Amino acid sequence: EIMMTQSPATLSVSPGERATLSCRVSQGVGAKLAWYQQKPGQAPRLLIYDASTRATGIPARFGGSGSGTEFTLTISSLQSEDFAVYYCQQYNDWPRTFGQGTKVEFK
Amino acid sequence: QVQLVQSGPEVKKSGSSVKVSCKASGGTFSSYAISWVRQAPGQGLEWMGGIIPIFGTVTYAPKFQGRVTITVDGPTSTGYMDLTSLRSEDTAVYYCATYVDTTAYDYWGQGTLVTVSS
Repeated sequence: EIMMTQSPATLSVSPGERATLSCRVSQGVGAKLAWYQQKPGQAPRLLIYDASTRATGIPARFGGSGSGTEFTLTISSLQSEDFAVYYCQQYNDWPRTFGQGTKVEFK
Repeated sequence: QVQLVQSGPEVKKSGSSVKVSCKASGGTFSSYAISWVRQAPGQGLEWMGGIIPIFGTVTYAPKFQGRVTITVDGPTSTGYMDLTSLRSEDTAVYYCATYVDTTAYDYWGQGTLVTVSS
């Protein structure tokens, strides 16, 4: 089973600042990695797939990069609606696996 | 536009079973790969398994193998997740999800809270 490690667990950021979230994978997954945003009481929402492609309707301030075992989600200028938990997920192998999440909180 | 609508909350006793449904509308159901993901209170997302109806293939996460059964009913465009031998640690919100326009889960059900009590 592929293990996903996200860091940091919590990221304290002020609105307008840049946020950088990391996802490390235990074995190479190519570019088959997605990022999701989840707010309390809601289902996850797909932000990024194939490591760097924004899903429909996702603002350009969200960017994904990386391949193989190291991936990054960058939020260039945090807006109030971006405070949430972010998960990475690999879909290169079975079982699919998620990271444990990074909570982006207000500083 | 694809919509996934799940069945309502459940309260179950330890040792019993639960079956959660996920009804799809819009698009071609037989081509969807339906997966199930759960989230315990205050915890992260956990992939349980998935089915690709058009191929009839089902894959389960090792942790749930033997306790979970994922099926679909084509005529009603409904997916099901059946979890047996419930224990308190199975208390969670269960989501169905699929990928239609992308390669990742771009459509999610609203979630079904399953509470297991002793």
